[in-house]
Amino acid sequence: EDKVVQSPLSLVVHEGDTVTLNCSYEVTNFRSLLWYKQEKKAPTFLFMLTSSGIEKKSGRLSSILDKKELFSILNITATQTGDSAVYLCAVESGAGTYKYIFGTGTRLKVLA
Amino acid sequence: EAGVAQSPRYKIIEKRQSVAFWCNPISGHATLYWYQQILGQGPKLLIQFQNNGVVDDSQLPKDRFSAERLKGVDSTLKIQPAKLEDSAVYLCASSLDILLGYEQYFGPGTRLTVT
Repeated sequence: EDKVVQSPLSLVVHEGDTVTLNCSYEVTNFRSLLWYKQEKKAPTFLFMLTSSGIEKKSGRLSSILDKKELFSILNITATQTGDSAVYLCAVESGAGTYKYIFGTGTRLKVLA
Repeated sequence: EAGVAQSPRYKIIEKRQSVAFWCNPISGHATLYWYQQILGQGPKLLIQFQNNGVVDDSQLPKDRFSAERLKGVDSTLKIQPAKLEDSAVYLCASSLDILLGYEQYFGPGTRLTVT
């Protein structure tokens, strides 16, 4: 059965800290991995990763994929209180049809 | 570019009642998804459309849930009759074309409370 596991489940840090969120997966016919940020509303898209070892970067956020070890990490440097959210990892699996399988998310709280 | 639209934003019903949710995807997006997100969990795919055809509904409780996308644009999801465990946020998402590997974008969701 396809699964996506995120760790840690929750994390509390102080402003300015650097955090690393993990996403491991076991799916049939992997095609891509996506990261989303979810505050008190719908998830907003952060990154899509398809190739191993190529870092995607957007401001203080970056992410990388390891297709051999079947995981991805999302790094946030110099965290701010506005980074407080649930970060979701979704893996696109294609076995006949393509669909996304989501992890349970990592809840990040950044304290001032 | 307008995002994915959903309505209503909130709905409270009693168990055994019926409810319907509406979604209008981003213009031109061929793939439309309905997800159920229970508090503290990640979104779970209920049904996925490619244009007006269903490509995956393996996790849709078909005895009570139904969905359609008749003209390949907007979509409705219905629950009849509702159960307490259906309380969740129902998210609609769309992507340009999942067959070509485009990312999906989410609407604001409908928060359903079943009492």
